[in-house]
Amino acid sequence: QKEVEQNSGPLSVPEGAIASLNCTYSDRGSQSFFWYRQYSGKSPELIMSIYSNGDKEDGRFTAQLNKASQYVSLLIRDSQPSDSATYLCARRSTGNQFYFGTGTSLTVIP
Amino acid sequence: DAGVIQSPRHEVTEMGQEVTLRCKPISGHNSLFWYRQTMMRGLELLIYFNNNVPIDDSGMPEDRFSAKMPNASFSTLKIQPSEPRDSAVYFCASSLVTGASYEQYFGPGTRLTVT
Repeated sequence: QKEVEQNSGPLSVPEGAIASLNCTYSDRGSQSFFWYRQYSGKSPELIMSIYSNGDKEDGRFTAQLNKASQYVSLLIRDSQPSDSATYLCARRSTGNQFYFGTGTSLTVIP
Repeated sequence: DAGVIQSPRHEVTEMGQEVTLRCKPISGHNSLFWYRQTMMRGLELLIYFNNNVPIDDSGMPEDRFSAKMPNASFSTLKIQPSEPRDSAVYFCASSLVTGASYEQYFGPGTRLTVT
C-alpha cells in the first residue's frame, strides 16, 4: 500500500552499531504510529508506539515522529544479532483503520 | 495473561471448501482486527470490530469472505468457497482502545494453503 512507505532493504549493520529505519506516510490526518518487529514465520510484535512529535525512548529503541514532514523513524542502538528481523511501520487513521508498510529487513552482522 | 489465541495454526484445504478461522482476543480488549499477509501485498486489514460490532469491512476482498464476533471473547473469519489465491497467513489482533492508547497485539496467525 502506498499510504505507508518503507525502504524494503535489506539493511545490514554491524553488531553494536545504530540501525536507522525510516517510514513516510501520506495522510496528514494520521495521529498514531507504531513499529512492529516480525521474525520470519512469526507474528508482528509491538515495539513502540508514538503519538506526538518528537522522540520517544524505550531501552535501546527510540522512535521519532515529525508530523510536518510526515515521517517516523526507529533507531536501534547497540544493535544485536537478535534484532535481525523485518520491521513494520504502521499508522492509525482517524477512522481507526491501521495501515502497514511492507517492512524493512534488518540484518545485524556479528 | 494469555495473548491472542488463533486456531488452527495451519490449514490445508482444497479449492471450493469452506474454511473457518478462529480468534480469541486478549481479555478486556474492546477492538479486534483481522489481517491477511502475503509476500506480494504485505499486511492488509480485512475487517475490524469495536465492542463486537463490525466497523469497517472495506478490506474484505470478496463476498466469499465473512467475519463474525458473537461475543467479546470470540471471532471467526470464514471463506466460502476457498480459492488458491486465498493462500496466506491470517492474523487476528486485539486492542484496548481508550482514546489515549491504540496498541494492537497480534496472535500467532493461521497459515492457510488452498490447493
